[in-house]
Amino acid sequence: DAMVIQNPRYQVTQFGKPVTLSCSQTLNHNVMYWYQQKSSQAPKLLFHYYDKDFNNEADTPDNFQSRRPNTSFCFLDIRSPGLGDAAMYLCATSSGSQGTQYFGPGTRLLVL
Amino acid sequence: AQSVAQPEDQVNVAEGNPLTVKCTYSVSGNPYLFWYVQYPNRGLQFLLKYITGDNLVKGSYGFEAEFNKSQTSFHLKKPSALVSDSALYFCAVRDIQPGTYKYIFGTGTRLKVLA
Repeated sequence: DAMVIQNPRYQVTQFGKPVTLSCSQTLNHNVMYWYQQKSSQAPKLLFHYYDKDFNNEADTPDNFQSRRPNTSFCFLDIRSPGLGDAAMYLCATSSGSQGTQYFGPGTRLLVL
Repeated sequence: AQSVAQPEDQVNVAEGNPLTVKCTYSVSGNPYLFWYVQYPNRGLQFLLKYITGDNLVKGSYGFEAEFNKSQTSFHLKKPSALVSDSALYFCAVRDIQPGTYKYIFGTGTRLKVLA
């Protein structure tokens, strides 16, 4: 089945130690998104790509970076995680225009 | 600016009773509206969407939603609730600004179905 895959599902890192979360999709969608979600709040958009065009949200901290080497893969790099970065990180895709947004299962990040 | 509001943080309903989760929107132009469900420690699952056409939209797991343009609402409904429907529900609207592909989410409503 076509889907959005996130690895790992759970990630533990140390304060200040860089961490990378990965997302892949088999939907061949143009748009990929990274969201941060804390304790049952609405997902907060960090950035999104339309193809290779990168769109950063104005309030996304510089500590968060992203890479999209090809259509299928997208990575979220957190350069120096702080305790406040502990959250669920959700990857999503859409075909753009009227397309539905499809989410991966999420990666829960714990910062010690 | 586009926005959605979910006025209830939590909705409790008895199993077998009908349920409604409310959503209102504010957009310029024709809205593209979505409902998602989230179970604990999982991503958001798509339930249904309204783009155009019939005001009553049917989706997954027996859910439906009614688009009401005059009341700018898109309430989620189900005729008979199940305990397994207990989850967090998000309403979303597609941001229609040209060149953007973003979605705006409501704050979420926690549905509790009581046995």
